[in-house]
Amino acid sequence: AQTVTQSQPEMSVQEAETVTLSCTYDTSESDYYLFWYKQPPSRQMILVIRQEAYKQQNATENRFSVNFQKAAKSFSLKISDSQLGDAAMYFCAYRSAGNNDMRFGAGTRLTVKP
Amino acid sequence: DAGVTQSPTHLIKTRGQQVTLRCSPKSGHDTVSWYQQALGQGPQFIFQYYEEEERQRGNFPDRFSGHQFPNYSSELNVNALLLGDSALYLCASSSGPLGEQFFGPGTRLTVL
Repeated sequence: AQTVTQSQPEMSVQEAETVTLSCTYDTSESDYYLFWYKQPPSRQMILVIRQEAYKQQNATENRFSVNFQKAAKSFSLKISDSQLGDAAMYFCAYRSAGNNDMRFGAGTRLTVKP
Repeated sequence: DAGVTQSPTHLIKTRGQQVTLRCSPKSGHDTVSWYQQALGQGPQFIFQYYEEEERQRGNFPDRFSGHQFPNYSSELNVNALLLGDSALYLCASSSGPLGEQFFGPGTRLTVL
């Protein structure tokens, strides 16, 4: 079964600095998708970025970028120029290409200090 | 354009009772997935509905059941509630079973 591990329960970053959140996953499949979701106190999960496993190029969305290492089964999220509004729970998620259910990690709580 | 909506926002029930949670998908979406998020954990997939049928199910007992209506909205029913069912229940909609999922704000269920 596919599992997703986030080894950092909490992280802290100074405003305007850069922070990296870690995620590893376990799978025997070759075709899958990886996601980072943000969940602020309002509880609504918001998609931050997604990566298709067949793409070698790392995905980037404005201040958010990933480091996707397929062989190492690692998928980290880098947030550049951190803003106060980035403070939230961040979840890494995995979905098989032909499967409907998404597997989530336990989350990392990010605090941004002014 | 309304996003995914869920009702109610909060709900308190006692053990053994039954509960129904509701979800309206984002405009243009035809698929609804349900997740359970226990406190301090990531969401866990319950099941997904497409074309008014349950398409896939996670590791949840039969006490958890659902329904999808012709307008694509969905209900999640939980029978014989246990204390361990206390959680945030998230609904996500997508265009097709494999489309990008958009989440609603969730329903907080407390079982006493």
